[in-house]
Amino acid sequence: AQSVTQLGSHVSVSEGALVLLRCNYSSSVPPYLFWYVQYPNQGLQLLLKYTSAATLVKGINGFEAEFKKSETSFHLTKPSAHMSDAAEYFCAVTPRYNAGNMLTFGGGTRLMVKP
Amino acid sequence: NAGVTQTPKFQVLKTGQSMTLQCAQDMNHNSMYWYRQDPGMGLRLIYYSASEGTTDKGEVPNGYNVSRLNKREFSLRLESAAPSQTSVYFCASSGAGGGYTFGSGTRLTVV
Repeated sequence: AQSVTQLGSHVSVSEGALVLLRCNYSSSVPPYLFWYVQYPNQGLQLLLKYTSAATLVKGINGFEAEFKKSETSFHLTKPSAHMSDAAEYFCAVTPRYNAGNMLTFGGGTRLMVKP
Repeated sequence: NAGVTQTPKFQVLKTGQSMTLQCAQDMNHNSMYWYRQDPGMGLRLIYYSASEGTTDKGEVPNGYNVSRLNKREFSLRLESAAPSQTSVYFCASSGAGGGYTFGSGTRLTVV
């Protein structure tokens, strides 16, 4: 069974500072990996996904994530935080060969951005 | 706008009442899902439908039933609501390559 762990349920950064949200997965075969963002009272929106092409994946709003097989990690970064980045972020994983495309989600990390 | 549409957006039920949450997608996706979101627990899969005509249990199916009415629609039914089912419910769909498109959610309170 696969699982995903997000380290830190809350992360606080200052505006302009580096954003680093951590995600580690557990899977016998490198899976497909995703990051989603949820703004208050909204559904989840896809930020980026890794599906075995380039290991450094660029997403929307200046975010990127790097797949590191040796560390079983897929951490999300952004060089300079903006107030509008305040939201909850979810890492998710699905096996490569999954007829139902079912995603398993991490517990989420709430990002707070201080002025 | 193309996407996933959920109704209703808000609902308050009394314990023991029943209701159906509706979900429809217009992206011709094969797979559809129902998740519940609770604080600190991320999203947990209730039921899913890998393709039209099939449904399967997810992580937390107890107290729920689903119907894949056609390729577009996937409904979630609570036969006898309990306070433990107070949550935010999300419907999602996916096509080839994974990655979900989510609805905007239904906030359900059972009193």
